[in-house]
Amino acid sequence: ETGVTQSPTHLIKTRGQQVTLRCSSQSGHNTVSWYQQALGQGPQFIFQYYREEENGRGNFPPRFSGLQFPNYSSELNVNALELDDSALYLCASSFWLAGVNEQFFGPGTRLTVL
Amino acid sequence: RKEVEQDPGPFNVPEGATVAFNCTYSNSASQSFFWYRQDCRKEPKLLMSVYSSGNEDGRFTAQLNRASQYISLLIRDSKLSDSATYLCVVNPYDRGSTLGRLYFGRGTQLTVWP
Repeated sequence: ETGVTQSPTHLIKTRGQQVTLRCSSQSGHNTVSWYQQALGQGPQFIFQYYREEENGRGNFPPRFSGLQFPNYSSELNVNALELDDSALYLCASSFWLAGVNEQFFGPGTRLTVL
Repeated sequence: RKEVEQDPGPFNVPEGATVAFNCTYSNSASQSFFWYRQDCRKEPKLLMSVYSSGNEDGRFTAQLNRASQYISLLIRDSKLSDSATYLCVVNPYDRGSTLGRLYFGRGTQLTVWP
């Protein structure tokens, strides 16, 4: 196992609601990245946090936001949920080293928006 | 044009067969390359990094051709347990941030039958 944990495992929300997903990174890792994986697709990068600051964002609207805490755990918040937000949300932790970026994934949160 | 292109398959092979997956990437400045494996409804797991000189891990061999921007994965002596989706992953060089992000292909599905 990678040591990366996520909660909750599954979540069902309705359109327009807000959701918070949580991730605890592997011990010793200082970087957390979030990905969205729709059915039949590869994961898509949402954003990355390093030392509690956002460090890069993919093509996602501002209603996707996040936080990283001093213990390197992280939250992903999504406001005004839309049906297309239904997906597996993956958190990945890593320890940045020049030229290497191996990321280790948690089990994911499966979000269903009705 | 997508950052990473993969043939989605599916590939259906008998036990003991040799199977090869290919992918191409669009950013010639990409610096790190990986193959991840993803079982149904699970998180992606790092299978192996891909180095310029090519590398082998047991029955798995990865090759990188920077000139053609092409990555391959060869699986020899396929086992039933190799059935999964194989994701080609690229970490492009990002001048704005050295921490990088991962770009995933959509994955190639492999089924190994007895």
